[in-house]
Amino acid sequence: DQQVKQNSPSLSVQEGRISILNCDYTNSMFDYFLWYKKYPAEGPTFLISISSIKDKNEDGRFTVFLNKSAKHLSLHIVPSQPGDSAVYFCAANPRGGSQGNLIFGKGTKLSVKP
Amino acid sequence: EPEVTQTPSHQVTQMGQEVILRCVPISNHLYFYWYRQILGQKVEFLVSFYNNEISEKSEIFDDQFSVERPDGSNFTLKIRSTKLEDSAMYFCASNSDRAIGQPQHFGDGTRLSIL
Repeated sequence: DQQVKQNSPSLSVQEGRISILNCDYTNSMFDYFLWYKKYPAEGPTFLISISSIKDKNEDGRFTVFLNKSAKHLSLHIVPSQPGDSAVYFCAANPRGGSQGNLIFGKGTKLSVKP
Repeated sequence: EPEVTQTPSHQVTQMGQEVILRCVPISNHLYFYWYRQILGQKVEFLVSFYNNEISEKSEIFDDQFSVERPDGSNFTLKIRSTKLEDSAMYFCASNSDRAIGQPQHFGDGTRLSIL
């Protein structure tokens, strides 16, 4: 039962180009979405989030887009840097607040080549 | 920047033994969580904890699991009688008081290996 799906296990991008990581969800009750980045031997690190009342949130090189009708969100990294190479997890919070558990996708491994 | 710290980083235990994983959440946080990630699989929610009691737990969190906040700083996960399938990375997380959209902050995890 995959409520949050990241269908691309890996993505390779040239340094300086755009990285687009995709995420689909099935539960229309999700009202908050988060992206986490994970390096090997470390825990997930929060990157950026978006509330379901918005369709876009931007923070520096990172932008998250939400299409509620398609139940789809994407993370754009522009320009991509080698240090961005990591596993990126999409996560949904059903309650939109601090008490809810996070439902994660399986992750997409991003490799940014110099 | 304050961090969630977890000890030990790697725990090796014989099947059937009890294991306690320890976490020190960020000091002003009030909501605490445990997640696990079996090798090659997604991160899965186990349990959330607030005001000295469990707020929510998943199907994974059966009677073999328990959590405790024994003092003002530590948050522990106990597995009473470990099984081979308990081998995984266990992540502790915390976040602050009732702030909508406040992200959970994760520790670097404990790798639990059951032999």
